[in-house]
Amino acid sequence: LAKTTQPISMDSYEGQEVNITCSHNNIATNDYITWYQQFPSQGPRFIIQGYKTKVTNEVASLFIPADRKSSTLSLPRVSLSDTAVYYCLVASRGGGSQGNLIFGKGTKLSVKP
Amino acid sequence: ETGVTQTPRHLVMGMTNKKSLKCEQHLGHNAMYWYKQSAKKPLELMFVYSLEERVENNSVPSRFSPECPNSSHLFLHLHTLQPEDSALYLCASSQDEVGGGAYNEQFFGPGTRLTVL
Repeated sequence: LAKTTQPISMDSYEGQEVNITCSHNNIATNDYITWYQQFPSQGPRFIIQGYKTKVTNEVASLFIPADRKSSTLSLPRVSLSDTAVYYCLVASRGGGSQGNLIFGKGTKLSVKP
Repeated sequence: ETGVTQTPRHLVMGMTNKKSLKCEQHLGHNAMYWYKQSAKKPLELMFVYSLEERVENNSVPSRFSPECPNSSHLFLHLHTLQPEDSALYLCASSQDEVGGGAYNEQFFGPGTRLTVL
């Protein structure tokens, strides 16, 4: 099972770039890396997904080194509204036809003014 | 709005009650999921349905009973719950099953906050 490890919490200030790293040493060849954002009392929301190298969309970038044993979510110029918990997810194929979806404990990002 | 709705949003029940949580997705997806999120714990996958067939049951106690009558609706029937079952129960859907290979983004509902007295 591709277990993920992330920092429990991070603090930042408005306008700064925030980088959150996730370790997934047992990632399988076919696994994709996905990041979700969750606000209190809401369901997680998809941010970005990647397989290798770099992926960028309108809200974030995802950096994945060649060995794929880690990944870094980069949030440019964060604002107060980016305060949330960020989850790194690696979809692993396990028993049965459905892969095991293992969310880590997430990183609680606090953005201060 | 993610296209996934859950009712009720809040539920308080006694240990001897029977209640049901409802999830509906308006996205035309083929896979639906139930997750449990306890305070300060990671999301725990409970059940997975693909094309209305259950494909995953992560050792969930029998007091939780899922039902998927069609690809748009998912229920979680609750009976004789314990106080430790109090949590946020989240429903999600994706185009197809999530697993090895091409990943399918999951769309989550707002959750049902369950309190068991």
